[in-house]
Amino acid sequence: KAGVTQTPRYLIKTRGQQVTLSCSPISGHRSVSWYQQTPGQGLQFLFEYFSETQRNKGNFPGRFSGRQFSNSRSEMNVSTLELGDSALYLCASNRDTNTEAFFGQGTRLTVV
Amino acid sequence: AQSVTQLGSHVSVSEGALVLLRCNYSSSVPPYLFWYVQYPNQGLQLLLKYTSAATLVKGINGFEAEFKKSETSFHLTKPSAHMSDAAEYFCAVRRNNFNKFYFGSGTKLNVKP
Repeated sequence: KAGVTQTPRYLIKTRGQQVTLSCSPISGHRSVSWYQQTPGQGLQFLFEYFSETQRNKGNFPGRFSGRQFSNSRSEMNVSTLELGDSALYLCASNRDTNTEAFFGQGTRLTVV
Repeated sequence: AQSVTQLGSHVSVSEGALVLLRCNYSSSVPPYLFWYVQYPNQGLQLLLKYTSAATLVKGINGFEAEFKKSETSFHLTKPSAHMSDAAEYFCAVRRNNFNKFYFGSGTKLNVKP
């Protein structure tokens, strides 16, 4: 059974650009959550999508957005990149609510 | 409000020694508690979880944790450290009916030969 797949694994972008990260959850999982991990702030929740609807949202500016497709794959987009957006972005997949979360290996975004 | 506090950002033990990583939670309702491990440039792997079925929870790789409501603690232990245990460990809490995790700041475990 394939795990959670995040692409790309590494990304370098310039300030002001935008970026799109992708997450393919485990087959049959309906929930996808996104987290930002930085040395200073640790792991912070960005948002959760469940059956194509955003169900929970963290305290991030509107530059951070996401969506989920009918096949449960999810994308997150960050516009007008700032140096502080450099982080490891992790995606978690749940079959349903209150079920075990499986994490992908993350996308390492570096903003220069 | 949900939160977890991990005491000690770095812990160093000798191979074969006891591992004790501390986690205290703050929750207004009975929580779901988790320990995750992260190896460099990797995602998070679930070690164990507490879901109120038993206070002593056994996980993978010989780890276990005990839920102590009176102390609001969920400390992670392993009787004998192995070199392969060197990683960063995160305690997390989640509310019922939500898939949102609140993570502690993490503890980096160093295992000395």
